[in-house]
Amino acid sequence: DGGITQSPKYLFRKEGQNVTLSCEQNLNHDAMYWYRQDPGQGLRLIYYSQIVNDFQKGDIAEGYSVSREKKESFPLTVTSAQKNPTAFYLCASSKPRTGNTGELFFGEGSRLTVL
Amino acid sequence: GNSVTQMEGPVTLSEEAFLTINCTYTATGYPSLFWYVQYPGEGLQLLLKATKADDKGSNKGFEATYRKETTSFHLEKGSVQVSDSAVYFCALSMNNNAGNMLTFGGGTRLMVKP
Repeated sequence: DGGITQSPKYLFRKEGQNVTLSCEQNLNHDAMYWYRQDPGQGLRLIYYSQIVNDFQKGDIAEGYSVSREKKESFPLTVTSAQKNPTAFYLCASSKPRTGNTGELFFGEGSRLTVL
Repeated sequence: GNSVTQMEGPVTLSEEAFLTINCTYTATGYPSLFWYVQYPGEGLQLLLKATKADDKGSNKGFEATYRKETTSFHLEKGSVQVSDSAVYFCALSMNNNAGNMLTFGGGTRLMVKP
């Protein structure tokens, strides 16, 4: 079945370490997104990519980096510069803009905890 | 800019009670509107959507009507079940040249007791 796969589901990191969260989709979607969710709060956009080899900062990009070398993959690196990285991270994708009503398809999420 | 405001939770109901979760939005133009549901420890799933004024989205007994005059998209269900316990997010999308990025409300936690 088509879908979005995030890994790992749970990740623990020591302060000062970089970690990379994986996001892979086999939906043939052009656009991919990373959101951060904090307890009891809504989703905030970190980065998004509308096409391979291109990506844009979202509302809270500081301390994060991404790459989009393949259509299927959009990994997120949480760097040591991110001051409060403990959160639930959600990856999403969407169909090409033409004829699209704007729906996003989400992965199961990755929970990062900094020790 | 665009924004979505939804009622704060948690909302606690008994099984078979009527549910309303309010959602209002601010947007320039005519957005598409969505309700997503998030079960514990999982990602978000699309529950229903409406793409133009007066459209009614419905799924699994939930429904919401796109009201342009009140800029609202309230979620309703006539009889909730314990399995409906989750966090519900209202969202909008403008579908402009910037892509299909959604603007989310803060989420409303629903707890249904047997």
